[in-house]
Amino acid sequence: GQNIDQPTEMTATEGAIVQINCTYQTSGFNGLFWYQQHAGEAPTFLSYNVLDGLEEKGRFSSFLSRSKGYSYLLLKELQMKDSASYLCAVVDSNYQLIWGAGTKLIIKP
Amino acid sequence: DADVTQTPRNRITKTGKRIMLECSQTKGHDRMYWYRQDPGLGLRLIYYSFDVKDINKGEISDGYSVSRQAQAKFSLSLESAIPNQTALYFCATSGMADTDTQYFGPGTRLTVL
Repeated sequence: GQNIDQPTEMTATEGAIVQINCTYQTSGFNGLFWYQQHAGEAPTFLSYNVLDGLEEKGRFSSFLSRSKGYSYLLLKELQMKDSASYLCAVVDSNYQLIWGAGTKLIIKP
Repeated sequence: DADVTQTPRNRITKTGKRIMLECSQTKGHDRMYWYRQDPGLGLRLIYYSFDVKDINKGEISDGYSVSRQAQAKFSLSLESAIPNQTALYFCATSGMADTDTQYFGPGTRLTVL
C-alpha cells in the first residue's frame, strides 16, 4: 500500500526554527508537495520538490531525498500566524496525489 | 474575488436526504477535484474530472456522484446522506500538467444527523 507519515503535532516557540518531517512509501514518485492549512480553511500551496536538495522560499524551505523517501519543511523565524497544519502530498506513478494526515504546528509566545 | 468558490459553506441535513455541493472556478483550469477531509485523516479523493466529458472515480466514490456542467462548474451529490458522510468537503482545480499545483476552494462543512 501507499503510505505517508508525518508527526501528528509539534510545538515550537515564536522566533525559533522548526523542521517538519515527511516520509513516504508510494508506488513511484513524481514529486512532493507541501501545503499549509489553517484550521477550518482551505489548504494553500507552499512548495513542490521533484529533484533532490533544498529549495528556499523566504522563511520556508523544503528538502527532498528521493533515495530515502524523505522530505522536510523548515520554517524559520516562526510567527504566531504560522500556527497551522502542514500537509505533505506525493505524486505517485499514476500521477495521483497521495496525502499525509498533516502535522499540526502550535506556536507559543 | 476568490478563484475557487463553494456553496454552501455550511450545511446540516438529515439521514436519507439528497444534498448537492457546488463548486465554481474562474482560474480557467480544466481539471477539477472533490475531496473530503476528516479529523486525523489525510485528504481523500472522491471524484475528479480532467475536462467536461471526463469523470473519474477516486479513492472513496461510493455514496457520491458528480456532474461537470461546464469547464468552470463541478458539483458533488450525496444521493442519500448518511452520518458517516459528515466531513469537510473541498473542491480543487489544477492546470493540464499532471504535476500542476492544486488550488482549493474554501470548503463546505457538512453535518448529517
